[in-house]
Amino acid sequence: GAVVSQHPSRVICKSGTSVKIECRSLDFQATTMFWYRQFPKQSLMLMATSNEGSKATYEQGVEKDKFLINHASLTLSTLTVTSAHPEDSSFYICSAREGRGYTFGSGTRLTVV
Amino acid sequence: QQQVKQSPQSLIVQKGGISIINCAYENTAFDYFPWYQQFPGKGPALLIAIRPDVSEKKEGRFTISFNKSAKQFSLHIMDSQPGDSATYFCAFITQGGSEKLVFGKGTKLTVNP
Repeated sequence: GAVVSQHPSRVICKSGTSVKIECRSLDFQATTMFWYRQFPKQSLMLMATSNEGSKATYEQGVEKDKFLINHASLTLSTLTVTSAHPEDSSFYICSAREGRGYTFGSGTRLTVV
Repeated sequence: QQQVKQSPQSLIVQKGGISIINCAYENTAFDYFPWYQQFPGKGPALLIAIRPDVSEKKEGRFTISFNKSAKQFSLHIMDSQPGDSATYFCAFITQGGSEKLVFGKGTKLTVNP
């Protein structure tokens, strides 16, 4: 089946620094990938839709300058959290679509100290 | 605006019992109803999905029941096992414009041995 690899699984960074999270589709090409954010004991909230070769589409209320998304190839999308602050600490999960199926990465636990 | 209402928020079941989770939706344009299973610290994984042209789909111990007139669909887990303890999300795919997968609020299932 489809496999999505997300890296790193955990990251701790200092406040004010930037962190990059990678999402790769390993055995299929994904023209569209999605980035979600999940706070403890809550549901997954869609942050943005990443389209290969074009600009990402952000959901209402998501700061595009803070959460930079790049989808430079059919198998790789990256999310960069810029000037991270403690309130950005969360679980970030990517997803890639193949046909009607959505496959998720294993998530990245970001802690900003 | 919540388009899918999921209940209960949490559920405790004894081993061997039946776990039932319900979702009610508002938008009749939805045409694909997946259920996802998420273990702590992991991304969600597709468990089972149904299209509205069938009323029930069974895969092993997991069954989706779909009531189109009531705009409800439910997940039944037969012979629940401690390994089924996880958070379950119903989801839907938005229609119109760019397609996106949106999640319900989730149900935390605990199966006691």
